[in-house]
Amino acid sequence: DTAVSQTPKYLVTQMGNDKSIKCEQNLGHDTMYWYKQDSKKFLKIMFSYNNKELIINETVPNRFSPKSPDKAHLNLHINSLELGDSAVYFCASSPEWRETDTQYFGPGTRLTVL
Amino acid sequence: GQNIDQPTEMTATEGAIVQINCTYQTSGFNGLFWYQQHAGEAPTFLSYNVLDGLEEKGRFSSFLSRSKGYSYLLLKELQMKDSASYLCAVADSNYQLIWGAGTKLIIKP
Repeated sequence: DTAVSQTPKYLVTQMGNDKSIKCEQNLGHDTMYWYKQDSKKFLKIMFSYNNKELIINETVPNRFSPKSPDKAHLNLHINSLELGDSAVYFCASSPEWRETDTQYFGPGTRLTVL
Repeated sequence: GQNIDQPTEMTATEGAIVQINCTYQTSGFNGLFWYQQHAGEAPTFLSYNVLDGLEEKGRFSSFLSRSKGYSYLLLKELQMKDSASYLCAVADSNYQLIWGAGTKLIIKP
């Protein structure tokens, strides 16, 4: 039944490590997103993919690399983790790009870098 | 630059009515969204306005004035479960969502 799922829900790791967060949507949507929500609760778009193609690539460090093996999956890999990467990362999907459709959010992954 | 402004926090009483305002300055406009986010959870969609006027959906209504760059979310018959953050987001000319920081609504008995 889960529409947008993310794993893991919690991730605690040391500085300098490499980690991945996985996202899957079973809604048949064409577009998927990664957002970062920091302690001040601002939601910032990081990446957007439409049919496996990168559409939005905001100014994020190149330590962050999204990968979309198919349009139902958008994974986020982070290299050389830093303290400032600690945040909640949300995956979302929407039916189409260039349509102001509702975005459906995953439950979030709380990343803590020690 | 692009900017979305909403109050940081509001307090209201159970059973009352509260209005949460949002003003925006964006490069282009393709609609305004309101999302609800309970603490520790994902945002969930509440409403979408692209034309001026009021959209009503049960206890929640959303209003838009494009000429003023202004929207509000009206919550009636407040319930304790309405305690949450309410996020205003605007789709700009590139259909990219620009998000406000959210308004934390505290409901008191």
